[in-house]
Amino acid sequence: EPEVTQTPSHQVTQMGQEVILRCVPISNHLYFYWYRQILGQKVEFLVSFYNNEISEKSEIFDDQFSVERPDGSNFTLKIRSTKLEDSAMYFCASWGWAETVNTEAFFGQGTRLTVV
Amino acid sequence: AQSVTQLGSHVSVSEGALVLLRCNYSSSVPPYLFWYVQYPNQGLQLLLKYTSAATLVKGINGFEAEFKKSETSFHLTKPSAHMSDAAEYFCAVRKNTGNQFYFGTGTSLTVIP
Repeated sequence: EPEVTQTPSHQVTQMGQEVILRCVPISNHLYFYWYRQILGQKVEFLVSFYNNEISEKSEIFDDQFSVERPDGSNFTLKIRSTKLEDSAMYFCASWGWAETVNTEAFFGQGTRLTVV
Repeated sequence: AQSVTQLGSHVSVSEGALVLLRCNYSSSVPPYLFWYVQYPNQGLQLLLKYTSAATLVKGINGFEAEFKKSETSFHLTKPSAHMSDAAEYFCAVRKNTGNQFYFGTGTSLTVIP
């Protein structure tokens, strides 16, 4: 069964450092997403990406965040200068095959980011 | 904008009892609706989905949900709770003309032995 994979599973970084979270979406999916979940809180949308550009972003996704699909396979989320409040579980998701638009999003297992 | 409301952030049931987790959506056009489950320290796993076919949808682990347009609801049920059902449950919606998934705030299910 196809799956979305995320690396690393856990990342600890110092405040102010840059981090890159990596995701390999399901092959041939069209839409890619990043969500985050602060401990004990709801799953929050960060950004969606389609056709090599951001299609929608939330107010959380400020100038400190960026996304990239550098090689047609990986999908990355970069946080330029991490803050303590960036500590959360970050989920990558992908959706939609080219031939037919499948209906559910597939999620990775998440990367737990801890900013100290 | 699409939104989903999950009533009850915490639900406790006894083992063997009925599970009912509530979800209401706001949309003038019936969207695609989903229930995801998150076990401790894991990612989101699809339980079931409504895609405008049958209004009663059966999912994994004995869960089912019924789409009721008149009530704009998509409540999740399971006749008999099992200890392994303890998890966080998220209702999600996607407009059938869009690509954005919106999640509810989640309901934490506790199963009491």
